[in-house]
Amino acid sequence: GENVEQHPSTLSVQEGDSAVIKCTYSDSASNYFPWYKQELGKGPQLIIDIRSNVGEKKDQRIAVTLNKTAKHFSLHITETQPEDSAVYFCAASKGNQFYFGTGTSLTVIP
Amino acid sequence: DAGVIQSPRHEVTEMGQEVTLRCKPISGHDYLFWYRQTMMRGLELLIYFNNNVPIDDSGMPEDRFSAKMPNASFSTLKIQPSEPRDSAVYFCASSLAGGLEQYFGPGTRLTVT
Repeated sequence: GENVEQHPSTLSVQEGDSAVIKCTYSDSASNYFPWYKQELGKGPQLIIDIRSNVGEKKDQRIAVTLNKTAKHFSLHITETQPEDSAVYFCAASKGNQFYFGTGTSLTVIP
Repeated sequence: DAGVIQSPRHEVTEMGQEVTLRCKPISGHDYLFWYRQTMMRGLELLIYFNNNVPIDDSGMPEDRFSAKMPNASFSTLKIQPSEPRDSAVYFCASSLAGGLEQYFGPGTRLTVT
């Protein structure tokens, strides 16, 4: 099966700085890579995703990059704000089954 | 759009009791997924349905767990009998045909004492 590793497990940044979270996957057949944000007491919320035929995708302050050769993908958040504080999960899939990373707890310090 | 609806939001029960968790997917979504989240194991897929039919239940931990989807707008996850190690947050998610872009409900926090 697929194995997704996520780093770091915790990340603290100053407001306005950038945050980068990295994930690696093991199955080269995986072709869809979503990122979820989970706030305390809530369900994961899809914030951005990328398919294997694309190398980079951007949505305002959030971007995701994918390196299929190296089998890793990253989430980039620029100009961080306190409301970006949450747990972020990456996932990889090649069908309907998602394999999630272990999560990164991001804290943005005002 | 109401999003995925789950009930109850919190459930506290004693070991040995039957627990039923409920989910209403987003209208028009063909896929429904049940996940369990714990600190030790993270987010795990338990089972998923396509057009009300169970497709993959390989993640269901034991025979004590069962799931049904009697129609397109309702699904249940049942644990009978419950055990303390079943304590977790259970999420339901749904997606359109193709199974991508899964949308999660708010979850049910289950505590088994």
